[in-house]
Amino acid sequence: QVQLAESGGGSVKPGESLRLSCVASGFTFNNYYMSWVRQAPGKGLEWVSYISDTGTIIYYADSVKGRFTISRDNAKNSLFLQMNSLRAEDTAVYYCATLSRVAAAELYYYYHYMDVWGKGTTVTVSS
Amino acid sequence: DIQMTQSPSSLSASVGDRVTITCRASRSISTYLNWYQQKPGKAPKVLIYAASSLQSGVPSRFSGSGSGTDFTLTISSLQPEDFATYYCQQSFNTPWTFGQGAKVEIK
Repeated sequence: QVQLAESGGGSVKPGESLRLSCVASGFTFNNYYMSWVRQAPGKGLEWVSYISDTGTIIYYADSVKGRFTISRDNAKNSLFLQMNSLRAEDTAVYYCATLSRVAAAELYYYYHYMDVWGKGTTVTVSS
Repeated sequence: DIQMTQSPSSLSASVGDRVTITCRASRSISTYLNWYQQKPGKAPKVLIYAASSLQSGVPSRFSGSGSGTDFTLTISSLQPEDFATYYCQQSFNTPWTFGQGAKVEIK
């Protein structure tokens, strides 16, 4: 069945780095845009980044721009999030999700929504 | 950035009740609005996309409406499995933003 499995979370000190991975199975990974979403403890959802199917289109939240890098390896059905210069406020559960795209009435516009989600991996940044 | 504001932030309801959650965008987002349900310790699940399109497999008691800046998620007859937190999310432009969430609790 369609599955996403995140890994790579852990406990680090401020300023350190982590690389999250998300392995996809049960669907044609290279047909899908992908996204990362995080959730701080007891808080709401925050979109982090998304990447197109070919990796040529990438967007980030302002809170991570310049520190995080999203990438993918379609040959390995894998999505990554390289997180540098980590801060306490980056502490969260990080989810990867597939992005479904539906053509809108306006030419070249698409509705995007996060469809299949992984179970998440926990990142803790603390001194 | 587009701010998304949900109301109420929490509500208590009984099984069988009709429940309505509102989401307001800080500027017009046409119908680029999604709704998600999240249960404690679990990943979110998409219910509605494009403001009113029901995701495959989602029960028909869930419905969405609205356009521009004001949107509504309605549960026509609340079921025990619907007690959860609901989030709206705009995909009109990046950065995509979520509402703060609306927790539906058992009365």
